[in-house]
Amino acid sequence: QVRLQESGPGLVKPSGTLSLTCAVSGGSISSSHWWTWVRQPPGKGLEWIGEIYHTGSTNYSPSLKSRVTISVDKSNNQFSLRLNSVTAADTAVYYCARGNHGDYTHWFDPWGQGTLVTVSS
Amino acid sequence: SSELTQDPAVSVALGQTVRITCQGDSLRTYYASWSQQKPGQAPVVVIYGKNNRPSGIPDRFSGSSSGNTASLTITGALAEDEADYYCNSRDSSGDHVVFGGGTRLTVL
Repeated sequence: QVRLQESGPGLVKPSGTLSLTCAVSGGSISSSHWWTWVRQPPGKGLEWIGEIYHTGSTNYSPSLKSRVTISVDKSNNQFSLRLNSVTAADTAVYYCARGNHGDYTHWFDPWGQGTLVTVSS
Repeated sequence: SSELTQDPAVSVALGQTVRITCQGDSLRTYYASWSQQKPGQAPVVVIYGKNNRPSGIPDRFSGSSSGNTASLTITGALAEDEADYYCNSRDSSGDHVVFGGGTRLTVL
């Protein structure tokens, strides 16, 4: 059973860089899945940030593309998120998830438990 | 358009049937998947593809699609189904994922 666990600082200063890691257990990050970051501001809906394949191929949300980098560390079976130049609007619960794809369909399973990141001085 | 539109809130009487919808151009190409999120918890997928339920999801959950609209139907809603429901799909380019704004389901 694959499990995902986010880790990283819960508080980031404005204009700083948000960095999170998602550890994958119970399965290989080199499997045929898109490893994904999703965020949810307090009281709001889900927002897709981006995804990475084990080959290093990435896709990013157009609205965040200029500030986001997602990378994969196959030796440690984990992937990471970096978001630059953060503001209070980036305060959210950040989830990592495994993206699964089939014939004209894409779904997320499993999800990590999520980690709250607050941007504040 | 790369957006998915959901009604913000829907209610259903206990034991009755409710349909939650999701509209968007990308749904003419891709099936929606549906996730359930309860307060303080991570989302959980309930439907993906044409009408597939992951292991452990009750068969009262079903999915369908027509044109640019996808639907999640709960037949015989239980109190435990009260939650936020989100649809998502690849966008029309296939290079990104889009989420709907979410529907809060209240079971009366």
